Amino acid sequence: EVQLVESGGNLVQPGGSLRLSCAASGFTFSSYWMNWVRQAPGKGLEWVANIKQDASAKYYVDSVKGRFTISRDNAKNSLYLQMNSLSAEDTAVYYCARDTSSTGGLDCWGQGTLVTVSS
Amino acid sequence: QSALTQPASVSGSPGQSIAISCTGTSSDVGGYNYVSWYQHHPGKAPKLMIYDVSNRPSGVSDRFSGSKSGNTASLTISGLQAEDEADYYCNSYRDSSPPLYVFGTGTKVTVL
Repeated sequence: EVQLVESGGNLVQPGGSLRLSCAASGFTFSSYWMNWVRQAPGKGLEWVANIKQDASAKYYVDSVKGRFTISRDNAKNSLYLQMNSLSAEDTAVYYCARDTSSTGGLDCWGQGTLVTVSS
Repeated sequence: QSALTQPASVSGSPGQSIAISCTGTSSDVGGYNYVSWYQHHPGKAPKLMIYDVSNRPSGVSDRFSGSKSGNTASLTISGLQAEDEADYYCNSYRDSSPPLYVFGTGTKVTVL
């Protein structure tokens, strides 16, 4: 069964850091672009970042550029999101998602992990 | 980066057909056939319904179809059913520097 499981979400103070993880199983992880997508409370989906199969390319939405870093470990079938300088605007459920078509068709999603930034 | 524009809500009776629009620019929806659509029930993971404008993943009902004209993409749901009530989001590749993906503002579909 194709599965993605996120972890690492927590309550963190403004200015703090957090590292999210996403464990993949049931498919050849190294063959796919991977993405992080978030949804703030009461808001819509927002694409955050993606990473190429061999990590040679990484792209970010402007609002997280310079603060968030996406990475992957193909040997461990894992995707990561290092989040620094967090602010209240980063409060959201964060999903990892597989790109089935390399053109943004995200066909497999995790259940999400909640990040709350508050003092 | 600005989101793609969707109507806030669309409603229909069981058995009817509805269409959800997704309007962008020539840098995203109009310039590339990389539009996807997602169904999202609150508290659950989003589900891919359409990718590359009109391709349906295996397991998705053929009541769902996608199309594009100019800078506007559309998702049509035919034979509307109660379980189709959910939020729907479009997504498109955007040719910017650097390139990125952008979601639509989201549409709440209500089955009357």
